[in-house]
Amino acid sequence: NAGVTQTPKFQVLKTGQSMTLQCAQDMNHEYMSWYRQDPGMGLRLIHYSVGAGITDQGEVPNGYNVSRSTTEDFPLRLLSAAPSQTSVYFCASSPQPTGELFFGEGSRLTVL
Amino acid sequence: GENVEQHPSTLSVQEGDSAVIKCTYSDSASNYFPWYKQELGKRPQLIIDIRSNVGEKKDQRIAVTLNKTAKHFSLHITETQPEDSAVYFCAASGDSNYQLIWGAGTKLIIKP
Repeated sequence: NAGVTQTPKFQVLKTGQSMTLQCAQDMNHEYMSWYRQDPGMGLRLIHYSVGAGITDQGEVPNGYNVSRSTTEDFPLRLLSAAPSQTSVYFCASSPQPTGELFFGEGSRLTVL
Repeated sequence: GENVEQHPSTLSVQEGDSAVIKCTYSDSASNYFPWYKQELGKRPQLIIDIRSNVGEKKDQRIAVTLNKTAKHFSLHITETQPEDSAVYFCAASGDSNYQLIWGAGTKLIIKP
C-alpha cells in the first residue's frame, strides 16, 4: 500500500494563478481531509469529505474548492492564489471521522 | 465552536526525565482526543488517543490523561530519549462534528 499520496511536493505560484493539489489514498478510507499548517498555528482544517460525493467546509475554506468523485481521490483547488495561502498543505484519510488520520507527505506552496 | 489551547509552546527536558504537555478544550461535547508527533520536515503521526469514556491510557513510555470536568487532557512521556525530540500536537473532536480542532503544538527538546 502506498498510503496517502500527495502531489506536487513543492509549488511556486504567482498571485492570481490557480492550481490543484492532488491527493490519493489506496486504503479504501471513507473520510478524507485537507489541512494547512502555518508556523505557530498547528493544523487548520480546510475541507473534508465523509464519502464519495459528500464534501463540507472546515475552519478555513475560503479560497479553496474540493470535490470527491471517487473514494480514492480528493483534490484541493486554489481558485486565485494569494500570498496568504503560502503554507504547507497536508491531505489525510481515516477509516472513520474520529480515528487515526493517515497523512500524506505534504505539499509546500509559495505564492509570490 | 471548539477551541484547543496547548501549553507550553516549547519544553526542554534532560534525557531520561519526564515531559508533560497540557491541552484544554472548550466544547464539552468533544469526546475524542488524539496526540500527534511531527518530526522536522515530516508528516504528523498518531502516537496515542483517548475517548471520553476513559480517564487514562498508556502505551509503553507514553500516557494520556483526560479530565472531562475540567476539560483538559495531558500527554506524559517518561524516560525521555533523543528520538522523542519533535513537535507534539493535541486535538479534539466529537462524533457529531467531523472537525478535528488542533492545538498550536509543543516543541519538545531532549537535552543530552
